[in-house]
Amino acid sequence: AQKITQTQPGMFVQEKEAVTLDCTYDTSDPSYGLFWYKQPSSGEMIFLIYQGSYDQQNATEGRYSLNFQKARKSANLVISASQLGDSAMYFCAMREPVYNQGGKLIFGQGTELSVKP
Amino acid sequence: NAGVMQNPRHLVRRRGQEARLRCSPMKGHSHVYWYRQLPEEGLKFMVYLQKENIIDESGMPKERFSAEFPKEGPSILRIQQVVRGDSAAYFCASSPTGLAGGLWNEQFFGPGTRLTVL
Repeated sequence: AQKITQTQPGMFVQEKEAVTLDCTYDTSDPSYGLFWYKQPSSGEMIFLIYQGSYDQQNATEGRYSLNFQKARKSANLVISASQLGDSAMYFCAMREPVYNQGGKLIFGQGTELSVKP
Repeated sequence: NAGVMQNPRHLVRRRGQEARLRCSPMKGHSHVYWYRQLPEEGLKFMVYLQKENIIDESGMPKERFSAEFPKEGPSILRIQQVVRGDSAAYFCASSPTGLAGGLWNEQFFGPGTRLTVL
C-alpha cells in the first residue's frame, strides 16, 4: 500500500535562509504524482508544487523547488529565502494512479515550519 | 470563478445529533473528494464521488457516515449520532476530471468545515 512519511514534526528556520522539508514515500506502482501543500493557521490547504514520477526535471515554482530522488523514494521540499509568511504546516501527498478508482491523495503527517525574524 | 465552497465553516453539535456538511465544487467540476483531518494529523481520504455516484468509499467509517453528490446541488457529507471522536476538520476537494485526468489532476480544496462535538 502507498505510504507517505514526514519525519520532522517541527522545523525552525531563520528569515531569508533556505529550508528543506523531508518527505519519503512508498509505492510499488511506477506511475504516481507527488504534491506539497501548505496549511497556514487559518486552516485552508494551499497547493504549492507537483512532481510526476516520469518527470525528468525537478519541479520548481517560484521560491519552492522539489528535490526528487526517485531511487531513494524521496521528494523533499526546498523553500528558498524564507519569509515570515512561510510559517505554517506543510504536507506532502501522493496521488495514486487515476485508473485505480479515481486518484485519491495520501497525505503525510505534516511538518510545522516556524520562520524566525 | 468562485473556488470550492464549504458550509458551514464551523459546526457545533452535541453527542447523538446529526451533522450535515456541504460542499459546492468549482464550476464545471463533477468530481468531489472528502478528507478528514483529526487534530495534529494529516488529511485522510474518506470518499470520492461523481455526480450521482459513489466511486470510492474505502476511507469512510462503516457506520454513521454517508455521502452523496446529487445531480443538482452540493455534495453532502452526513454524520449521524455524532461522537466526540468525530471532532475534526472536514475538507472537500473538487477536480474537473477524474479517471481521464491523469496524475496531474489537481484537486482544489475548500476552506474546510470544523466540526466540534460537545
